[in-house]
Amino acid sequence: DTEVTQTPKHLVMGMTNKKSLKCEQHMGHRAMYWYKQKAKKPPELMFVYSYEKLSINESVPSRFSPECPNSSLLNLHLHALQPEDSALYLCASLGPMNTEAFFGQGTRLTVV
Amino acid sequence: SQQGEEDPQALSIQEGENATMNCSYKTSINNLQWYRQNSGRGLVHLILIRSNEREKHSGRLRVTLDTSKKSSSLLITASRAADTASYFCAFILYNFNKFYFGSGTKLNVKP
Repeated sequence: DTEVTQTPKHLVMGMTNKKSLKCEQHMGHRAMYWYKQKAKKPPELMFVYSYEKLSINESVPSRFSPECPNSSLLNLHLHALQPEDSALYLCASLGPMNTEAFFGQGTRLTVV
Repeated sequence: SQQGEEDPQALSIQEGENATMNCSYKTSINNLQWYRQNSGRGLVHLILIRSNEREKHSGRLRVTLDTSKKSSSLLITASRAADTASYFCAFILYNFNKFYFGSGTKLNVKP
Protein backbone atom coordinates (compact mmCIF):
# COMPACT_ATOMS: atom_id res chain seq x y z
CA ASP A 1 0.00 0.00 0.00
CA THR A 2 1.75 3.16 -1.21
CA GLU A 3 -1.10 5.52 -0.47
CA VAL A 4 -1.51 8.52 1.72
CA THR A 5 -5.18 9.06 2.41
CA GLN A 6 -6.55 12.46 3.35
CA THR A 7 -10.05 13.21 4.56
CA PRO A 8 -12.20 15.08 3.91
CA LYS A 9 -11.56 16.00 0.27
CA HIS A 10 -13.44 19.27 0.63
CA LEU A 11 -14.30 21.31 3.71
CA VAL A 12 -16.20 24.55 4.13
CA MET A 13 -16.06 26.07 7.58
CA GLY A 14 -17.03 29.29 9.27
CA MET A 15 -14.55 31.43 11.13
CA THR A 16 -15.87 30.29 14.51
CA ASN A 17 -15.89 26.59 13.69
CA LYS A 18 -13.54 23.88 14.89
CA LYS A 19 -12.69 21.18 12.40
CA SER A 20 -9.98 18.61 11.82
CA LEU A 21 -8.16 17.28 8.78
CA LYS A 22 -6.98 13.70 8.81
CA CYS A 23 -4.08 11.98 7.08
CA GLU A 24 -3.24 8.28 7.16
CA GLN A 25 -0.40 6.17 5.76
CA HIS A 26 0.49 2.51 6.31
CA MET A 27 3.92 2.45 4.70
CA GLY A 28 5.79 2.65 8.00
CA HIS A 29 7.21 6.06 7.13
CA ARG A 30 8.46 7.92 10.19
CA ALA A 31 8.44 11.46 8.80
CA MET A 32 5.12 13.10 7.99
CA TYR A 33 4.39 16.58 6.74
CA TRP A 34 1.63 19.15 6.45
CA TYR A 35 1.76 21.63 3.59
CA LYS A 36 -0.47 24.53 2.63
CA GLN A 37 -0.85 25.40 -1.05
CA LYS A 38 -2.51 28.51 -2.43
CA ALA A 39 -3.60 28.68 -6.06
CA LYS A 40 -0.72 28.91 -8.56
CA LYS A 41 1.85 28.67 -5.76
CA PRO A 42 4.12 25.84 -4.59
CA PRO A 43 3.30 23.86 -1.46
CA GLU A 44 4.45 25.70 1.64
CA LEU A 45 5.82 23.67 4.53
CA MET A 46 3.85 23.98 7.79
CA PHE A 47 4.79 21.12 10.13
CA VAL A 48 7.09 18.11 10.21
CA TYR A 49 6.62 15.11 12.46
CA SER A 50 9.50 12.72 12.95
CA TYR A 51 8.91 9.51 14.90
CA GLU A 52 5.55 10.88 16.06
CA LYS A 53 7.13 14.00 17.57
CA LEU A 54 6.76 17.51 16.20
CA SER A 55 10.21 18.38 14.90
CA ILE A 56 9.54 21.46 12.79
CA ASN A 57 6.93 24.21 13.01
CA GLU A 58 7.46 26.78 10.28
CA SER A 59 6.07 29.66 12.37
CA VAL A 60 2.50 28.58 11.72
CA PRO A 61 -0.24 30.51 13.60
CA SER A 62 -1.64 28.71 16.63
CA ARG A 63 -5.08 28.44 15.02
CA PHE A 64 -3.50 25.43 13.26
CA SER A 65 -2.74 22.67 15.72
CA PRO A 66 -1.11 19.44 14.51
CA GLU A 67 -1.33 16.10 16.25
CA CYS A 68 0.24 12.71 15.61
CA PRO A 69 -1.69 10.09 17.63
CA ASN A 70 0.34 7.19 16.21
CA SER A 71 2.86 6.39 13.49
CA SER A 72 0.16 6.04 10.82
CA LEU A 73 -2.03 9.00 11.57
CA LEU A 74 -1.61 12.74 11.38
CA ASN A 75 -4.29 15.29 12.22
CA LEU A 76 -4.50 19.02 11.70
CA HIS A 77 -6.94 20.74 14.05
CA LEU A 78 -8.39 24.01 12.83
CA HIS A 79 -9.94 26.70 14.99
CA ALA A 80 -10.89 30.32 14.40
CA LEU A 81 -9.51 30.35 10.87
CA GLN A 82 -9.53 33.37 8.60
CA PRO A 83 -10.70 33.53 4.96
CA GLU A 84 -7.07 33.84 3.86
CA ASP A 85 -6.47 30.35 5.28
CA SER A 86 -8.55 28.95 2.42
CA ALA A 87 -6.19 26.69 0.47
CA LEU A 88 -5.34 23.12 -0.45
CA TYR A 89 -3.85 21.31 2.55
CA LEU A 90 -1.54 18.48 1.63
CA CYS A 91 -0.17 15.71 3.78
CA ALA A 92 2.93 13.73 2.85
CA SER A 93 5.12 11.02 4.25
CA LEU A 94 8.78 10.58 3.45
CA GLY A 95 10.26 7.26 2.48
CA PRO A 96 13.33 5.77 4.20
CA MET A 97 16.77 7.25 3.48
CA ASN A 98 15.09 10.52 2.47
CA THR A 99 13.81 9.11 -0.80
CA GLU A 100 10.56 10.07 -2.43
CA ALA A 101 7.67 11.67 -0.63
CA PHE A 102 4.18 10.29 -0.99
CA PHE A 103 1.39 12.83 -1.07
CA GLY A 104 -2.28 12.60 -0.33
CA GLN A 105 -4.78 14.20 -2.71
CA GLY A 106 -5.28 17.06 -0.30
CA THR A 107 -8.18 18.72 1.46
CA ARG A 108 -9.54 21.80 -0.26
CA LEU A 109 -10.50 24.12 2.58
CA THR A 110 -12.74 27.14 2.23
CA VAL A 111 -13.17 29.46 5.19
CA VAL A 112 -16.28 31.65 5.00
CA SER B 1 10.18 30.89 2.92
CA GLN B 2 10.98 30.29 -0.72
CA GLN B 3 13.98 27.99 -0.95
CA GLY B 4 13.95 27.29 -4.66
CA GLU B 5 13.16 29.06 -7.90
CA GLU B 6 12.10 27.56 -11.19
CA ASP B 7 12.02 28.90 -14.68
CA PRO B 8 10.21 29.33 -16.84
CA GLN B 9 7.09 29.98 -14.77
CA ALA B 10 4.98 28.80 -17.70
CA LEU B 11 5.80 26.85 -20.85
CA SER B 12 3.54 26.11 -23.80
CA ILE B 13 4.68 23.65 -26.47
CA GLN B 14 3.28 21.39 -29.17
CA GLU B 15 2.91 17.67 -28.67
CA GLY B 16 6.11 15.90 -29.68
CA GLU B 17 8.40 18.75 -28.69
CA ASN B 18 10.78 18.62 -25.75
CA ALA B 19 10.19 20.60 -22.56
CA THR B 20 12.99 21.84 -20.31
CA MET B 21 12.50 23.26 -16.84
CA ASN B 22 15.19 24.65 -14.58
CA CYS B 23 15.43 24.78 -10.81
CA SER B 24 17.83 26.72 -8.61
CA TYR B 25 18.17 26.36 -4.87
CA LYS B 26 19.99 28.20 -2.12
CA THR B 27 21.63 25.76 0.28
CA SER B 28 23.25 22.33 0.58
CA ILE B 29 20.92 19.49 -0.22
CA ASN B 30 20.73 15.77 0.35
CA ASN B 31 18.96 15.04 -2.91
CA LEU B 32 16.75 16.79 -5.42
CA GLN B 33 13.47 15.48 -6.70
CA TRP B 34 10.91 16.44 -9.30
CA TYR B 35 7.16 16.18 -8.84
CA ARG B 36 4.14 16.66 -11.05
CA GLN B 37 0.82 18.10 -9.96
CA ASN B 38 -2.35 17.86 -11.99
CA SER B 39 -5.16 20.35 -11.45
CA GLY B 40 -4.10 21.42 -7.96
CA ARG B 41 -4.38 17.99 -6.36
CA GLY B 42 -1.76 15.67 -4.90
CA LEU B 43 1.81 15.64 -6.13
CA VAL B 44 3.31 12.63 -7.87
CA HIS B 45 6.99 11.79 -7.58
CA LEU B 46 8.79 11.64 -10.94
CA ILE B 47 12.49 11.20 -10.34
CA LEU B 48 15.17 11.63 -7.67
CA ILE B 49 18.81 12.56 -8.16
CA ARG B 50 21.28 12.35 -5.30
CA SER B 51 23.79 15.07 -4.55
CA ASN B 52 26.67 12.88 -5.80
CA GLU B 53 24.98 12.21 -9.17
CA ARG B 54 25.13 14.46 -12.22
CA GLU B 55 22.51 12.98 -14.53
CA LYS B 56 19.69 10.51 -14.36
CA HIS B 57 17.17 9.09 -16.82
CA SER B 58 13.75 7.56 -16.37
CA GLY B 59 11.72 6.85 -19.48
CA ARG B 60 11.16 10.19 -21.25
CA LEU B 61 12.60 12.11 -18.31
CA ARG B 62 16.17 13.30 -17.98
CA VAL B 63 17.32 15.23 -14.95
CA THR B 64 20.67 16.89 -14.36
CA LEU B 65 22.16 18.29 -11.19
CA ASP B 66 25.00 20.79 -10.81
CA THR B 67 25.73 21.19 -7.10
CA SER B 68 28.41 23.82 -7.74
CA LYS B 69 25.79 26.05 -9.37
CA LYS B 70 23.00 24.81 -7.09
CA SER B 71 20.81 24.07 -10.08
CA SER B 72 18.94 21.24 -11.74
CA SER B 73 17.05 20.77 -14.96
CA LEU B 74 14.26 18.43 -16.01
CA LEU B 75 13.89 17.50 -19.65
CA ILE B 76 10.72 15.81 -20.88
CA THR B 77 11.25 14.41 -24.37
CA ALA B 78 8.55 13.80 -26.99
CA SER B 79 5.92 15.53 -24.87
CA ARG B 80 2.29 14.42 -24.85
CA ALA B 81 -0.91 16.28 -24.04
CA ALA B 82 -1.11 14.16 -20.88
CA ASP B 83 2.12 15.81 -19.66
CA THR B 84 0.17 19.04 -19.14
CA ALA B 85 0.61 19.79 -15.42
CA SER B 86 2.62 21.85 -12.97
CA TYR B 87 6.12 20.61 -12.27
CA PHE B 88 8.00 21.29 -9.04
CA CYS B 89 11.52 20.59 -7.98
CA ALA B 90 11.83 19.62 -4.34
CA PHE B 91 14.74 19.08 -2.04
CA ILE B 92 15.60 18.01 1.45
CA LEU B 93 17.98 20.25 3.28
CA TYR B 94 21.13 18.41 4.28
CA ASN B 95 20.86 16.87 7.76
CA PHE B 96 17.29 18.06 8.22
CA ASN B 97 13.88 16.68 7.48
CA LYS B 98 12.81 19.96 5.88
CA PHE B 99 11.40 19.19 2.44
CA TYR B 100 10.97 22.28 0.30
CA PHE B 101 9.58 23.00 -3.16
CA GLY B 102 10.66 25.29 -5.95
CA SER B 103 8.28 27.86 -7.35
CA GLY B 104 7.01 25.55 -10.12
CA THR B 105 6.66 25.50 -13.90
CA LYS B 106 3.23 25.23 -15.48
CA LEU B 107 3.55 23.16 -18.64
CA ASN B 108 0.89 23.16 -21.33
CA VAL B 109 1.29 20.63 -24.14
CA LYS B 110 -1.00 21.37 -27.06
CA PRO B 111 -2.28 18.42 -29.08
